Amino acid sequence: DTGVSQDPRHKITKRGQNVTFRCDPISEHNRLYWYRQTLGQGPEFLTYFQNEAQLEKSRLLSDRFSAERPKGSFSTLEIQRTEQGDSAMYLCASSLARHEWETQYFGPGTRLLVL
Amino acid sequence: AQSVTQLGSHVSVSEGALVLLRCNYSSSVPPYLFWYVQYPNQGLQLLLKYTTGATLVKGINGFEAEFKKSETSFHLTKPSAHMSDAAEYFCAGALMNSGYSTLTFGKGTMLLVSP
Repeated sequence: DTGVSQDPRHKITKRGQNVTFRCDPISEHNRLYWYRQTLGQGPEFLTYFQNEAQLEKSRLLSDRFSAERPKGSFSTLEIQRTEQGDSAMYLCASSLARHEWETQYFGPGTRLLVL
Repeated sequence: AQSVTQLGSHVSVSEGALVLLRCNYSSSVPPYLFWYVQYPNQGLQLLLKYTTGATLVKGINGFEAEFKKSETSFHLTKPSAHMSDAAEYFCAGALMNSGYSTLTFGKGTMLLVSP
């Protein structure tokens, strides 16, 4: 069990550019979550998958954001036409959905800075 | 609206003193509750969780928390602070309005430990 991994760990981009982040969950976990954390705030839910299916999306997830989990394993989060307000830490978590209270295990995050 | 609130964005204690970090939830149906810790430039690590059963929950690193339904609280305590406990702590709930599937976080409390 190597834990949840995320790539890249840091990304600096210019406003208007597209960026893509990758998350590799713990291997047997069927649920995968994306959260966003801005300075001084707790993580906020963006979206989650169970296997390949995207089951829920937050209102925070504007049309510029898209997430995929094509084979039910790793996931990508793409932000198109980035804005300075997108600067944040993007956290990925995974869990095994046997019960409602299953622990979500978090990756180290990808810190995005939009200039 | 269902929410999780942490009182105090910063708590300062001396090494060896009692640590008390406060968390309250707002929900007509008790949520599943979690405490996570975040060290600088790292992801979130689970300290402990309350799901069902015993209301006093023991976690890692000597932390514990007690679920009090009458007070809608889930405060985190540790009898004696260590310098290594300095970090940011997040209370989170899996709330009924999210189908218990996603986490709603408080804004976090930064714990500062002085020698």
